[in-house]
Amino acid sequence: KQEVTQIPAALSVPEGENLVLNCSFTDSAIYNLQWFRQDPGKGLTSLLLIQSSQREQTSGRLNASLDKSSGRSTLYIAASQPGDSATYLCAVEETSGSRLTFGEGTQLTVNP
Amino acid sequence: KAGVTQTPRYLIKTRGQQVTLSCSPISGHRSVSWYQQTPGQGLQFLFEYFSETQRNKGNFPGRFSGRQFSNSRSEMNVSTLELGDSALYLCASSRTGTSSSYEQYFGPGTRLTVT
Repeated sequence: KQEVTQIPAALSVPEGENLVLNCSFTDSAIYNLQWFRQDPGKGLTSLLLIQSSQREQTSGRLNASLDKSSGRSTLYIAASQPGDSATYLCAVEETSGSRLTFGEGTQLTVNP
Repeated sequence: KAGVTQTPRYLIKTRGQQVTLSCSPISGHRSVSWYQQTPGQGLQFLFEYFSETQRNKGNFPGRFSGRQFSNSRSEMNVSTLELGDSALYLCASSRTGTSSSYEQYFGPGTRLTVT
């Protein structure tokens, strides 16, 4: 059974800092990994999707990497801003279809 | 292009009642998945529909059911509501139902409170 773990559970940083969020998964047989952000009481916003054959994806200040063999992914946020404050979730899509298995999330607070 | 829409956004029900939630996917998306989000269990997969067929099912009791219509819109139903069913129910759609590298897009969710 696939298990996804995110570290740290919470993170508080000053504005402008670069930061890294970590995600690990137990079964490396995945199709892709997706990073989301969730604002309080809201739905999920897709940030980046990394296919299993890729090593990384970039969008603006965000960079996500994937090491399938070791079961790890990182989300790098450059020059953090208060608007980045949210919960960040990683999820893996398994070979069985469109089922996503989520981690518990990292709650990020960026202080002005 | 309109995003995933879910109705209603908020719902209050009493134990023992049943409830139906609706999800309209992004135009052209044929796969619709449902998730339950609670503070204690996080995000858990309920089921996925593609071309009106349930292709995957999570580990939830039979009180949770769903269906998909020919226009890809989906509904989920929960019968005999329990207090533990209080949660944010999220719907996601993707371009295709075959496991691939397509992103899943989530709706705003329906907040269900069972009293």
